[in-house]
Amino acid sequence: AQKVTQAQTEISVVEKEDVTLDCVYETRDTTYYLFWYKQPPSGELVFLIRRNSFDEQNEISGRYSWNFQKSTSSFNFTITASQVVDSAVYFCALSVPSGNTPLVFGKGTRLSVIA
Amino acid sequence: GAGVSQTPSNKVTEKGKYVELRCDPISGHTALYWYRQSLGQGPEFLIYFQGTGAADDSGLPNDRFFAVRPEGSVSTLKIQRTERGDSAVYLCASSLSGGPADTQYFGPGTRLTVL
Repeated sequence: AQKVTQAQTEISVVEKEDVTLDCVYETRDTTYYLFWYKQPPSGELVFLIRRNSFDEQNEISGRYSWNFQKSTSSFNFTITASQVVDSAVYFCALSVPSGNTPLVFGKGTRLSVIA
Repeated sequence: GAGVSQTPSNKVTEKGKYVELRCDPISGHTALYWYRQSLGQGPEFLIYFQGTGAADDSGLPNDRFFAVRPEGSVSTLKIQRTERGDSAVYLCASSLSGGPADTQYFGPGTRLTVL
């Protein structure tokens, strides 16, 4: 079975600090897909990134970066120079071809950025 | 283009009543998913449609829950004899073709409260 663990329930940082959100996943499949979503107070899940298991290159998009390490089954998300608008709940999710196609989500990390 | 829309945004009902929640996916998306999100948790899969047919309904908690997608576009999630434990946010998502690599795009959700 697939599982996603986000050990950090809540994180609070001061604006302009860097913050890393941890994600550890479990699967026996060699092919899998990892996702990050943002859920702001409005409630709608916003897609941030998708990464497949064959692509271990780290990715940077503006202030966001992702560190994928298969050796530790982790897919961590870093926000550089955080802003108040980054305050949200962030979810990591996993899907595999062999199982159901739906996403398996972690419990989320609530990030609060204080001005 | 328009994203996934869900109606109503909020629904308050009494225990034992019947409710219908509606989802209108992104135009052209063949795959549609329903998830349920309880407070402080990540979304949990309920049912997945590929076209008009339910490809996987293994997440439906019991036979009080049922969903349809008669024309392969709009979907309705139906809950009979509602219970207080059904209170949650019901999220709908769609993707272009289904499959584990496909990105799912979420609607704003329907917050169901059963009194």
